[in-house]
Amino acid sequence: GAVVSQHPSRVICKSGTSVKIECRSLDFQATTMFWYRQFPKQSLMLMATSNEGSKATYEQGVEKDKFLINHASLTLSTLTVTSAHPEDSSFYICSARDRILTYEQYFGPGTRLTVT
Amino acid sequence: AQSVTQLDSQVPVFEEAPVELRCNYSSSVSVYLFWYVQYPNQGLQLLLKYLSGSTLVKGINGFEAEFNKSQTSFHLRKPSVHISDTAEYFCAVSGDQTGTASKLTFGTGTRLQVTL
Repeated sequence: GAVVSQHPSRVICKSGTSVKIECRSLDFQATTMFWYRQFPKQSLMLMATSNEGSKATYEQGVEKDKFLINHASLTLSTLTVTSAHPEDSSFYICSARDRILTYEQYFGPGTRLTVT
Repeated sequence: AQSVTQLDSQVPVFEEAPVELRCNYSSSVSVYLFWYVQYPNQGLQLLLKYLSGSTLVKGINGFEAEFNKSQTSFHLRKPSVHISDTAEYFCAVSGDQTGTASKLTFGTGTRLQVTL
């Protein structure tokens, strides 16, 4: 089956530093990847849609300069949280949409970010 | 625009009892419908999906769901639950086209708590 990995699974960083999270589709090509944020006991909120080779499309209210997204290849997208603050602490989940089966998204295991 | 409503935030049930998790949606276009399960500190796992055809959809782990277009519902059912089914369940909808209409919109989730 389609597998999506995320790295790291957990990260703790100090306030003011930047953190990069990787999302990889392991056995399929993904022209589109999505980044979600999930607060405790809440649903997933779409942050941005990342298309290979082009700029990401951010949802309303998401700061583009704070959450930098790069989708340099058909199997890798990265999310960089710049100048992180404690309120950025959250569970970040990516998903990848199969290039052929465009109706289905495959989810990564998530990354727990804690900013101290 | 699309939206998903999961009316029950929590559903307690005894082991081996049947369960139904409710999901209603609204959309101005034809939709694909999905149910996902999330275990603590993990990503989302697809339980089942409705794309077209038979309105009764069978998924993994003994779950099934029925698409009812007139009632705009996609309720999830299992005839006999296990302790291991304790998790968060999310209903999601996407448009049946590529592009922005294919973004997933999630409900707020239903916590299924199975006890002995």
